[in-house]
Amino acid sequence: GAVVSQHPSRVICKSGTSVKIECRSLDFQATTMFWYRQFPKQSLMLMATSNEGSKATYEQGVEKDKFLINHASLTLSTLTVTSAHPEDSSFYICSARVPAGTDTQYFGPGTRLTVL
Amino acid sequence: GDSVTQMEGPVTLSEEAFLTINCTYTATGYPSLFWYVQYPGEGLQLLLKATKADDKGSNKGFEATYRKETTSFHLEKGSVQVSDSAVYFCALRGNFGNEKLTFGTGTRLTIIP
Repeated sequence: GAVVSQHPSRVICKSGTSVKIECRSLDFQATTMFWYRQFPKQSLMLMATSNEGSKATYEQGVEKDKFLINHASLTLSTLTVTSAHPEDSSFYICSARVPAGTDTQYFGPGTRLTVL
Repeated sequence: GDSVTQMEGPVTLSEEAFLTINCTYTATGYPSLFWYVQYPGEGLQLLLKATKADDKGSNKGFEATYRKETTSFHLEKGSVQVSDSAVYFCALRGNFGNEKLTFGTGTRLTIIP
C-alpha cells in the first residue's frame, strides 16, 4: 500500500520558536494532503487541506499565520508552527490522497510536538 | 455539521472473544463510512469502508454494515487476536465531492492472551 512518512516523529522546542514538520508520500504522488491535530483522548481534527502548487484551505478556527502550510511538490507538504506556545503541544498527523478517483487517504505516523 | 460518535474505551477482551465497537453518525445526504485502525507507533490505516446504505465492509475478519435507518456503522469481529490490539477510529466523508474526513474519538482495544 501507499506509504506516508513524517519527520520528525517527535520534537521538543522552547516557547517562541518555530517548528517545521515534513510530510512525504514515498511511493506515489499526492496532489492533496491533509493536516490533522489530535489532542489526548480526542478525535483527529482537520486543520487544513493542502493542494500542490496552491494555497492551503484552512478549517474554521485555525490560524493560517500560526500554522503555515506549504505543498511545493507532489510528494512533500510541510507544516510550520510559528512562535510556538505550550498550548500548541499536540500530536500532528498528515495524510495524502492518492489521485485518480479514489477516496482513500493514507496517513503518516504523526509528530508529537511538545512546547516548553 | 457532520459528526461521529463511537463508544468510549478502553476495551479489554480475552483472545477469541467477540468484539463490537459501536459507531453512530450525523450527516446530511449519503456519506461514505470508514473504520481506520492505528497500531502502536504507526499511522492510521484504512480497515474497511462502505459507501452506501446496506453495504457491508469487511477486512481481516472485521465487518461493519452501513445502516442508514439507525445511522450506524458498528465494527464487529467474531474472534479477536492479540494482534488486533490497537486504536480504532470510525469516520465519515460527506458527499457532494467533499473530501473531508470527520473522525470519532477512537476506541483503544487491548486483547489479552
